[in-house]
Amino acid sequence: SQQGEEDPQALSIQEGENATMNCSYKTSINNLQWYRQNSGRGLVHLILIRSNEREKHSGRLRVTLDTSKKSSSLLITASRAADTASYFCATGGGNSGGYQKVTFGTGTKLQVIP
Amino acid sequence: SQTIHQWPATLVQPVGSPLSLECTVEGTSNPNLYWYRQAAGRGLQLLFYSVGIGQISSEVPQNLSASRPQDRQFILSSKKLLLSDSGFYLCAWSYGLPGAYEQYFGPGTRLTVT
Repeated sequence: SQQGEEDPQALSIQEGENATMNCSYKTSINNLQWYRQNSGRGLVHLILIRSNEREKHSGRLRVTLDTSKKSSSLLITASRAADTASYFCATGGGNSGGYQKVTFGTGTKLQVIP
Repeated sequence: SQTIHQWPATLVQPVGSPLSLECTVEGTSNPNLYWYRQAAGRGLQLLFYSVGIGQISSEVPQNLSASRPQDRQFILSSKKLLLSDSGFYLCAWSYGLPGAYEQYFGPGTRLTVT
């Protein structure tokens, strides 16, 4: 079953604007990741935030995590046309059969208009 | 550096025909390996994962099977394809270490069953 749900499902902004995507989840997690998927391609890992962290930055990306609300947000500042892609959150739980279980959400489709 | 390969990139197969998709990883040893399916505009569904040679775990009962004949080779198969097997198939790997949640994806295979 899907744990994370992104909101909005689709987002269209002008180049230079900021884009904010949200992810809500249902059960306790060890960490939360964000991935990007360009159309017809594989996913690319962007950033991981652990359950004891509240905010993390990587370049133009800012991720927040609120474990009390079971939610996370991904902010992309000064968006570019190349940021057009789908963005997925993925929640990490405990061990499951020897691997670190990760569950992906349904994604937010971001369109950045030049 | 590590790389992951998937082939073929696209495949059109008739209903009832067999399937074999291959994934190989280079530049790392003892990776965890994963097969996902992504329906059009949807999130990722984990099909199989493997923590070692010959060790396969299935997440969803279905018409598919997986094998890991070598440390860095993961194969997805079917004896008889169904229309519902159409989708985008993604292979991924992660380090086989505790706390290694980041996954690294291949370019994917677009399968159309006609």
